Amino acid sequence: AQSVTQPDIHITVSEGASLELRCNYSYGATPYLFWYVQSPGQGLQLLLKYFSGDTLVQGIKGFEAEFKRSQSSFNLRKPSVHWSDAAEYFCAVGASGGSNYKLTFGKGTLLTVNP
Amino acid sequence: GAVVSQHPSWVICKSGTSVKIECRSLDFQATTMFWYRQFPKQSLMLMATSNEGSKATYEQGVEKDKFLINHASLTLSTLTVTSAHPEDSSFYICSASGGWTKNIQYFGAGTRLSVL
Repeated sequence: AQSVTQPDIHITVSEGASLELRCNYSYGATPYLFWYVQSPGQGLQLLLKYFSGDTLVQGIKGFEAEFKRSQSSFNLRKPSVHWSDAAEYFCAVGASGGSNYKLTFGKGTLLTVNP
Repeated sequence: GAVVSQHPSWVICKSGTSVKIECRSLDFQATTMFWYRQFPKQSLMLMATSNEGSKATYEQGVEKDKFLINHASLTLSTLTVTSAHPEDSSFYICSASGGWTKNIQYFGAGTRLSVL
């Protein structure tokens, strides 16, 4: 069974500082990997995804993530955080192939941005 | 990205009544829709997966008779919480995938259910 670990429950950074959110996954085959962001009381917005190919993927809002198979990781990064980035971030892994795959989510990392 | 609309965004009901939540894909055909439940400050828990025209597949521990899911068209799925009780109060989120979305789940904005 697939699983996702987000080791950091809560991270606080200053506006303008760089950000890295960690994500480790467990899956027997090639995974589909996702990062979603959730603002309070809202649904999830897709930031970026990795299916195959280039292991460094670019997403919306200036985010990027790097797939490292050897480390089973898919960490999310942003060079300069904005106050509007404060939200909950979820990493997810999906079984590859088909449209009936299920997503398994990590427990999320809450990002607080200090002015 | 694809747009998924979920309605209502917030509903309050009395214990024992039923509540229906709608999930619509606005610009793509959703062959598969998913229903999640999210407890405060926790991750999403998949409740069920539904394919258009088929019965939903429920996750272990989810009561089929309590949470009725219908996916009668390629753009609409509904979740009905039957005989709701206070313990059913939660945040319910749907997602949809299919057509040009290419294995990506797009999420609705969620429905906050409060059962009094």
